[in-house]
Amino acid sequence: DGGITQSPKYLFRKEGQNVTLSCEQNLNHDAMYWYRQDPGQGLRLIYYSQIVNDFQKGDIAEGYSVSREKKESFPLTVTSAQKNPTAFYLCASSPGASGGAQFFGPGTRLTVL
Amino acid sequence: DQQVKQNSPSLSVQEGRISILNCDYTNSMFDYFLWYKKYPAEGPTFLISISSIKDKNEDGRFTVFLNKSAKHLSLHIVPSQPGDSAVYFCAVLGRDSNYQLIWGAGTKLIIKP
Repeated sequence: DGGITQSPKYLFRKEGQNVTLSCEQNLNHDAMYWYRQDPGQGLRLIYYSQIVNDFQKGDIAEGYSVSREKKESFPLTVTSAQKNPTAFYLCASSPGASGGAQFFGPGTRLTVL
Repeated sequence: DQQVKQNSPSLSVQEGRISILNCDYTNSMFDYFLWYKKYPAEGPTFLISISSIKDKNEDGRFTVFLNKSAKHLSLHIVPSQPGDSAVYFCAVLGRDSNYQLIWGAGTKLIIKP
């Protein structure tokens, strides 16, 4: 059955280490997105990609990097330059590049120790 | 500067009564409005949407109302059920946002038995 998967659900890392969060979708969606959610706040856009091999910075891209080598995959790397990496990270996709309803994965809770 | 505001961080409603969640936006150029529901430690789930050419959209127990002159969006849930307890986000998109979703901070809805 179709959907968006994120792995792992919980991730722990030591300060100063880079970490890559996985996001895969088998919905044949063109666009994919990464958001961050902090307690009591809404979703903030980190990066998005409207097509393979292309991506744009969102509102809070500093300290993060992405790649979109395949339509179904959009991994997010949280680098050591990200000052407050502990958060809940959500990946989403939408059928078209021009927006519309987005469908979300289950999220990854990253805790940096 | 928040373009989408959900002024009530939380709302408590008796089971069986109507829940009304509100959302205000600042840009009259937004042309598509969505509501998402989110349980803790899960990704948001798309609930219902409305385009700017309409003022009401209904889907079962959920109705979204759009007042363009007031730049106000509301979600009505009737009757409210215990499973409706969650955080509800409104999101908007339009040409000015490059058709990327702009999110409110969310309202936590608690349905009391």
